[in-house]
Amino acid sequence: GENVEQHPSTLSVQEGDSAVIKCTYSDSASNYFPWYKQELGKRPQLIIDIRSNVGEKKDQRIAVTLNKTAKHFSLHITETQPEDSAVYFCAAIPPNFGNEKLTFGTGTRLTIIP
Amino acid sequence: GAVVSQHPSWVICKSGTSVKIECRSLDFQATTMFWYRQFPKQSLMLMATSNEGSKATYEQGVEKDKFLINHASLTLSTLTVTSAHPEDSSFYICSARHVLRGYNEQFFGPGTRLTVL
Repeated sequence: GENVEQHPSTLSVQEGDSAVIKCTYSDSASNYFPWYKQELGKRPQLIIDIRSNVGEKKDQRIAVTLNKTAKHFSLHITETQPEDSAVYFCAAIPPNFGNEKLTFGTGTRLTIIP
Repeated sequence: GAVVSQHPSWVICKSGTSVKIECRSLDFQATTMFWYRQFPKQSLMLMATSNEGSKATYEQGVEKDKFLINHASLTLSTLTVTSAHPEDSSFYICSARHVLRGYNEQFFGPGTRLTVL
């Protein structure tokens, strides 16, 4: 099955600086890569996603890049703000004919230092 | 669109009792729902895939007789933790599959925090 690794496990950045979180996946057939933000005790919130036919996607301060050859994808947050502090999870879904399952990375605890 | 609810949001029970958690899709029909478990400071781990009108598919290492899943309608899946023990204390989150932007996505419920004394 799919295996997703995520780094770093913790990340602290000064407010206004950029944050980058990286993930690698094992199944070359995976074709959908969402990123979730989870605050303590809350549900994961989808913040951005990318499909395998695209190399980069941007939504305001958040961007995701995908390198299919190397099987890795990254989340970039620019101009970080205190409200960006949370745990971020990457995930990957290999195609399985209507039975696609999300495999999550181990998570990155992002702390924005005011 | 694509709102998923869970009930209860938290529950405390005694060891040996059973607890039922409900997952509902409020504004769409979901033939497939998923149940995850999340221990403190860990990732979400898929427990099982719940399919309407058929048996759930459990992930390796998840006891089907302990975690009973029923997906009796297109908007409701239930997870029953039978004979709960302290090690079952966790955050249980469901998700429902739905096509909103032209492809399958999972929409998550708010989670249920289970504490077994």
